[in-house]
Amino acid sequence: GAGVSQSPSNKVTEKGKDVELRCDPISGHTALYWYRQSLGQGLEFLIYFQGNSAPDKSGLPSDRFSAERTGGSVSTLTIQRTQQEDSAVYLCASSLITPRGGNEQFFGPGTRLTVL
Amino acid sequence: AQKVTQAQTEISVVEKEDVTLDCVYETRDTTYYLFWYKQPPSGELVFLIRRNSFDEQNEISGRYSWNFQKSTSSFNFTITASQVVDSAVYFCALSERLGAAGNKLTFGGGTRVLVKP
Repeated sequence: GAGVSQSPSNKVTEKGKDVELRCDPISGHTALYWYRQSLGQGLEFLIYFQGNSAPDKSGLPSDRFSAERTGGSVSTLTIQRTQQEDSAVYLCASSLITPRGGNEQFFGPGTRLTVL
Repeated sequence: AQKVTQAQTEISVVEKEDVTLDCVYETRDTTYYLFWYKQPPSGELVFLIRRNSFDEQNEISGRYSWNFQKSTSSFNFTITASQVVDSAVYFCALSERLGAAGNKLTFGGGTRVLVKP
């Protein structure tokens, strides 16, 4: 079956502009995660969605970052008023959820964001 | 706070040699999961193995093995008889339980493995 897909694969924007990054998880996966990978900070957790529960936003670096997940499937990560330090690869992952937890997460190819 | 340390930044081996990647973690949780992921030059993170803190195992390939030592908080990973296609960055990750059985991954800094022919 299809894996996690993300679009666009690359995005170049000017400082101060807003960007939207899209993630389409694996069908049937109820959990969706966003991570960021940058040279300085490594791989960092951003936000987690599970079903209809309120998302866990504990990793979002500032209030310029927001995300939503519509219909329990596709998710959009929005960065407002982009700054140069937002330049990174944004990775989306999805997983099944079982009562025991610890399910492996399957990652998409990422969106490389460059803020000029 | 959880922390994962991969002390080796880069390892270079010749094909068919074994390579062992070190991972040390810190957590206050009594139940947790540890993972290894591979990131080849294409960039996509690929799940390799998972181990929980209460002794389940999840083998994925005969060339991969791991050494989980709870007493020293280490989760080392070995690739036996390395191949050029094993060249990648390898990440160790520790899960932190989130609501509704989700888990946030805390990643180590990664170890770049270069397998030369």
